[in-house]
Amino acid sequence: GENVEQHPSTLSVQEGDSAVIKCTYSDSASNYFPWYKQELGKRPQLIIDIRSNVGEKKDQRIAVTLNKTAKHFSLHITETQPEDSAVYFCAASRHDYKLSFGAGTTVTVRA
Amino acid sequence: DTGVSQDPRHKITKRGQNVTFRCDPISEHNRLYWYRQTLGQGPEFLTYFQNEAQLEKSRLLSDRFSAERPKGSFSTLEIQRTEQGDSAMYLCASSRVELAGADTQYFGPGTRLTVL
Repeated sequence: GENVEQHPSTLSVQEGDSAVIKCTYSDSASNYFPWYKQELGKRPQLIIDIRSNVGEKKDQRIAVTLNKTAKHFSLHITETQPEDSAVYFCAASRHDYKLSFGAGTTVTVRA
Repeated sequence: DTGVSQDPRHKITKRGQNVTFRCDPISEHNRLYWYRQTLGQGPEFLTYFQNEAQLEKSRLLSDRFSAERPKGSFSTLEIQRTEQGDSAMYLCASSRVELAGADTQYFGPGTRLTVL
């Protein structure tokens, strides 16, 4: 089955700086890569996703890049704000749609 | 609230008891997924339905677990003879499958199960 590895497990950044989280996947047939943000005690919320026919996608301060050859994808958050503090999960799926998640990155934005 | 809802939000039970959770997906979503999340980990896939058909079950799902979606709307997840290792957050997600490519899954708030 699919194996998704996520790094780093924790990330502390100064407010206004950028944060980068990286994930690798094992199944070359995976074609969909969403990112979820989960605040303490709350549901995972989709913040951005990318499909394998696209190399980069941006939504305001958030961007995701995908390298299919290397089987890795990354989340970039620019101009971080305190409300960006949360756990971020990457995930991957094939045509059968079930998601395989990474272990998560705890992001702390220092004011 | 038109999002995915789950009931109950918290459940405390004694080892050996049976528990049942309910998930109500977003209206008109034809796919429904169950995941389990333990502390410090990402959600793990358990099973999913397209309409009322259960299409796949994870090897994580022992025979003590059963899920149904009788009318293609809400779903229930039952755990029989609970064990302490079943303690986790049980998340439900729903999506509307597209003709091409993967679907976008929206998660419910989860049911936190504690087995004493």
